[in-house]
Amino acid sequence: EDKVVQSPLSLVVHEGDTVTLNCSYEVTNFRSLLWYKQEKKAPTFLFMLTSSGIEKKSGRLSSILDKKELFSILNITATQTGDSAVYLCAVAFYDMRFGAGTRLTVKP
Amino acid sequence: EPEVTQTPSHQVTQMGQEVILRCVPISNHLYFYWYRQILGQKVEFLVSFYNNEISEKSEIFDDQFSVERPDGSNFTLKIRSTKLEDSAMYFCASKLGTGFNYEQYFGPGTRLTVT
Repeated sequence: EDKVVQSPLSLVVHEGDTVTLNCSYEVTNFRSLLWYKQEKKAPTFLFMLTSSGIEKKSGRLSSILDKKELFSILNITATQTGDSAVYLCAVAFYDMRFGAGTRLTVKP
Repeated sequence: EPEVTQTPSHQVTQMGQEVILRCVPISNHLYFYWYRQILGQKVEFLVSFYNNEISEKSEIFDDQFSVERPDGSNFTLKIRSTKLEDSAMYFCASKLGTGFNYEQYFGPGTRLTVT
């Protein structure tokens, strides 16, 4: 059965901390792995990863994919209160399967 | 910046009624999707649509559901006879092309409440 598992389910940190969010997957016909940030409503796109070992960066966020071990991590450095959100990992194959998300809370 | 729009933002309906949720994908996008998210649960894929037909659908997308692209801009999800468990946030998404390098852009969602 295809599945996407994220960990931890929730995380509380203080501003300035660095966090690592995990996503592991088991899907057939993998195409890409995507990270989204969901605040109040719609998920907003962060990264798409298709190749192993190539880090993608956007400001304080970075992500990398390991296609051999079937996982990805999302790093956020120097966290800010505005980073508080649910971070969703999704794997695209014939459709797109989302993980349950990691709820990140950044306290001042 | 182009964006996916959805109407209404909130729809309240009685059990057994039909509802139509509307989406306007980004204008040059070719692939369209519906997802739902029951409160507190994960985002679930419902259906994908390309070239005026369904490409893939999940087990959730049963005979009560249908999708249509009635004109060049709208993409609709119809639920024929709503049930209480259909209460959820419904997201539309669109994508420019197939292949590995295209991400899906999500609309703001329609919150459906079935009473």
